[in-house]
Amino acid sequence: VQLVESGGILVKPGESLRLSCAASGFRFSDGWMSWVRQAPGKGLEWVGRIKSRRDGGTSDYAAPVKARFTISRDASKNTVYLQMNSLKAEDTAMYYCSTDGGITEAGIFDNWGQGTLVIVSS
Amino acid sequence: QLVLTQSPSASASLGGSVKLTCTLRSGHTSSNIAWHQQQPDKGPRFLMKVYSDGRLYKGDGIPDRFSGSSSGTERYLTISSLQSEDEADYYCQTWGTGIPYFFGAGTKVTVL
Repeated sequence: VQLVESGGILVKPGESLRLSCAASGFRFSDGWMSWVRQAPGKGLEWVGRIKSRRDGGTSDYAAPVKARFTISRDASKNTVYLQMNSLKAEDTAMYYCSTDGGITEAGIFDNWGQGTLVIVSS
Repeated sequence: QLVLTQSPSASASLGGSVKLTCTLRSGHTSSNIAWHQQQPDKGPRFLMKVYSDGRLYKGDGIPDRFSGSSSGTERYLTISSLQSEDEADYYCQTWGTGIPYFFGAGTKVTVL
């Protein structure tokens, strides 16, 4: 399994950004995916997840990002996206994507990417 | 009060062992948890999942010297025969009981 995040850059508060996570090595269409972030020098924080199409394809979010962030997936590209709008300084973090265990093991993050860094600063 | 509480740091000698504790807050005492390792400047790595009933399953390629256990509201990660590469941050995390998923603040392990 390989997960490769990309898209992290320096942006100004209020701007938008889309992160990508290219997945390989497993049946992407059947897998749930999550995004987890880590502010500089801080611990891990779950951001949100997207279920497989078979399980409804819906997304769920942590309270701090709900209504600002959107997770989507493109099965043809084996890629999951994190669209981030109205970015705030507190969104500054390394963003990791991970596989998520699905219905029977929701929240098992057993594969992680190397992360992509988002800096929100004026 | 945090859902998961971890000691900020732990240390042990090279070749020794260290036992890390993750304490579940009241109301989450039946939660399953997972353990992850994060070496300096790297992404996290899944170590194992621990069911509330004590069943334990390790991730692919995780050495036998990593083990887990449970007692009441506490979940433990024990690292035996400590190696220099075990110097890392270790996070516990809830899973399986609905969202959001919670992480502990992490324990930094130093190998002396």
